[in-house]
Amino acid sequence: NAGVTQTPKFRVLKTGQSMTLLCAQDMNHEYMYWYRQDPGMGLRLIHYSVGEGTTAKGEVPDGYNVSRLKKQNFLLGLESAAPSQTSVYFCASKDSQYQPQHFGDGTRLSIL
Amino acid sequence: GIQVEQSPPDLILQEGANSTLRCNFSDSVNNLQWFHQNPWGQLINLFYIPSGTKQNGRLSATTVATERYSLLYISSSQTTDSGVYFCAVDRGYLGSNYKLTFGKGTLLTVNP
Repeated sequence: NAGVTQTPKFRVLKTGQSMTLLCAQDMNHEYMYWYRQDPGMGLRLIHYSVGEGTTAKGEVPDGYNVSRLKKQNFLLGLESAAPSQTSVYFCASKDSQYQPQHFGDGTRLSIL
Repeated sequence: GIQVEQSPPDLILQEGANSTLRCNFSDSVNNLQWFHQNPWGQLINLFYIPSGTKQNGRLSATTVATERYSLLYISSSQTTDSGVYFCAVDRGYLGSNYKLTFGKGTLLTVNP
């Protein structure tokens, strides 16, 4: 009963390095979302996907790329990490109109 | 876009006290969720409540969609209730592909 699993849980990067965050869901959900949470704020949407092979920009997409090659996985990439991208990243998935979004436990990312 | 405002921003209680948290939103919504973010940073889904009233143990929530607000009630508070409570809304598929917009949260501290 895994639900939404995020990998890794913690990571420290140097400015300019690249990395990929993985989100995997085992509920066969169509919709998947990446959010970031900064201190004292609610979550803000980075990118999302409405199905396998689709992606779209959210509220704060700059500096990030995403891919959804398989329905169960949604990848968030940082090509050249910047200190402003230090944050906690949450992935979520959703099945249909009258169901809630389910969240992973988050990835804490620090960029020095 | 839709605006979500939560009040109060901070709340300090003694164990055993009751509290009411409020969430106002600026437009019609398809979905409203209440979350508790625990001290470990996990987002716990409390209620999916686009309208009406629901109860789960000591917690209950009421959403009055026509007046654009929701209330979260916590009775007989315990120290484990401490954390940040978020309200989040979406405007449905046509409105926004179910993207959630979060409020900034209410930080609840329950003292023993």
